[in-house]
Amino acid sequence: LAKTTQPISMDSYEGQEVNITCSHNNIATNDYITWYQQFPSQGPRFIIQGYKTKVTNEVASLFIPADRKSSTLSLPRVSLSDTAVYYCLVGTGRYGGSQGNLIFGKGTKLSVKP
Amino acid sequence: DGGITQSPKYLFRKEGQNVTLSCEQNLNHDAMYWYRQDPGQGLRLIYYSQIVNDFQKGDIAEGYSVSREKKESFPLTVTSAQKNPTAFYLCASSIALERGAKNIQYFGAGTRLSVL
Repeated sequence: LAKTTQPISMDSYEGQEVNITCSHNNIATNDYITWYQQFPSQGPRFIIQGYKTKVTNEVASLFIPADRKSSTLSLPRVSLSDTAVYYCLVGTGRYGGSQGNLIFGKGTKLSVKP
Repeated sequence: DGGITQSPKYLFRKEGQNVTLSCEQNLNHDAMYWYRQDPGQGLRLIYYSQIVNDFQKGDIAEGYSVSREKKESFPLTVTSAQKNPTAFYLCASSIALERGAKNIQYFGAGTRLSVL
């Protein structure tokens, strides 16, 4: 079961690029890396998912090095509305048992200041 | 409009009372989940279900019960055995957890349960 480690909190200013790194040293061959965003009193929302190299969508980019033991979520030009908790999950979609992609740690609390 | 609906938004429980939280989805997802979130903490898995009439305990199932009689519905009952039920409860759904599937979960807006 892949365990993830993220910084507890990060601060940034509007317009800056923010990079949040997640460590997952025992990631398995079939594991995907998934990031979610959660605003206070709301359910988490899927941001991005990747397996290797780089993935980009309209919201963020995900960088995964060749050894896949870590990943970095990159948020370009953040705004105040990006203030939220960001969770990194690692796991497979395989049936049965408690899976890594069902384990949300405490996440990284990002605070964006004006 | 596809999505996952939780009700009620706020719920109050008296001591010794069982309460049921509703979760309905129209995304045609096979898998559904219940999580509990305490202030400043991450989400902890209570129960999950892969298919109708089958469900599995998560990490903190004691004091909770679920049923999955329909694909669209996965209600959670907080029983009187759960001595500290005050928390934010989140329901989620995803496509079936098959080998190689990318398990992206879609969440409801949550139910906040408090004890009177």
